[in-house]
Amino acid sequence: AAGVIQSPRHLIKEKRETATLKCYPIPRHDTVYWYQQGPGQDPQFLISFYEKMQSDKGSIPDRFSAQQFSDYHSELNMSSLELGDSALYFCASSLGDRGLRKTDTQYFGPGTRLTVL
Amino acid sequence: AQSVAQPEDQVNVAEGNPLTVKCTYSVSGNPYLFWYVQYPNRGLQFLLKYITGDNLVKGSYGFEAEFNKSQTSFHLKKPSALVSDSALYFCAVRDMQVGGNNRLAFGKGNQVVVIP
Repeated sequence: AAGVIQSPRHLIKEKRETATLKCYPIPRHDTVYWYQQGPGQDPQFLISFYEKMQSDKGSIPDRFSAQQFSDYHSELNMSSLELGDSALYFCASSLGDRGLRKTDTQYFGPGTRLTVL
Repeated sequence: AQSVAQPEDQVNVAEGNPLTVKCTYSVSGNPYLFWYVQYPNRGLQFLLKYITGDNLVKGSYGFEAEFNKSQTSFHLKKPSALVSDSALYFCAVRDMQVGGNNRLAFGKGNQVVVIP
């Protein structure tokens, strides 16, 4: 079965540079979630999109932005990178978000490991 | 906000012995609970979930979890552990904010080490 695809898998950037992470959800999934997992930490919710509109916002820095496109893929844009942004960034997808399918499972991609030097 | 707690950092178990990974929850309303497993340098793999119904939930790879409302627990279990079960296990709860949004709130994770 098709899974969530994330690219790139690894990314190395310098401080103050920008980075773009991409996520391709499971076919027919209309909701995308972004999570950040620091070293030795649990994943923390950043932001989510349902039907191309932002549906929820968590602890995402103002330096970060994201969007979901017409083909449901999503991109996380990160600017003015800091050392503390080094983490594993997960994308997850599910079917439905706004109150109708609370029970749907979020399926996670393999993650993008971002290293900021 | 909804939350889960995983009280133990590491769980050591001999191969072939029963494995239990503990999780307690704190929610207002009905809890939607999940277990995920993470292997080194890999993504989170869904194991099972509790939404409603039977308190014993069966999932992937021989895992099951027991929902206990009176103890607010959702412990993950496997009758006979394999060395390949060694991984990081996360309990999660659907943290439904105003408007019905469905972010997951994770516990700190438990490292499971299965000893041959």
